[in-house]
Amino acid sequence: DAGVIQSPRHEVTEMGQEVTLRCKPISGHDYLFWYRQTMMRGLELLIYFNNNVPIDDSGMPEDRFSAKMPNASFSNLKIQPSEPRDSAVYFCASSSDSTDNEQFFGPGTRLTVL
Amino acid sequence: AQSVTQPDIHITVSEGASLELRCNYSYGATPYLFWYVQSPGQGLQLLLKYFSGDTLVQGIKGFEAEFKRSQSSFNLRKPSVHWSDAAEYFCAVGPYGNEKLTFGTGTRLTIIP
Repeated sequence: DAGVIQSPRHEVTEMGQEVTLRCKPISGHDYLFWYRQTMMRGLELLIYFNNNVPIDDSGMPEDRFSAKMPNASFSNLKIQPSEPRDSAVYFCASSSDSTDNEQFFGPGTRLTVL
Repeated sequence: AQSVTQPDIHITVSEGASLELRCNYSYGATPYLFWYVQSPGQGLQLLLKYFSGDTLVQGIKGFEAEFKRSQSSFNLRKPSVHWSDAAEYFCAVGPYGNEKLTFGTGTRLTIIP
């Protein structure tokens, strides 16, 4: 298996632009998690899905952030409009009942908002 | 609410020396406990996990961790570190099932020759 795939790996954009981060979970996994990692706040859970349905989005910082999972093999996280304080590394992870809570992480997308 | 505390932000050890990284958790029931490692520029990789049974858990790369219920701890150990162990280490706790994990703030490990 290729593991969790994230794209792009690096994104540099200007303040006010829309940013879309993409994630392909491991085939057969029915849980998908989006995290944000910064030096100041560490690793934060933004939102997670089960069977493509959002279960908990309490970590989404504000309305500028949205996430969708249109099917079992794809999710995206959008920021519109982006701000410099959104600069961080965004991780996607997936898991399933057979992994006993073990989450498999993607390599992350490093976002820089200028 | 569940929480995880990693009291050491940064630890430096000499190559070949032993290592112990501390993790304390707060959780109302029997927790699922994890240690993940993150190398620079990489995602998190699972080192080991504990659900039940033997309280001493063996993981990859020669790491082990011991669950101590009375101390609410799940410390990570390695008898002899290698330069390639330099990374950030995260402890995490979660409930049964695939719900969200709560991660600690991480401990950065530096290895000196």
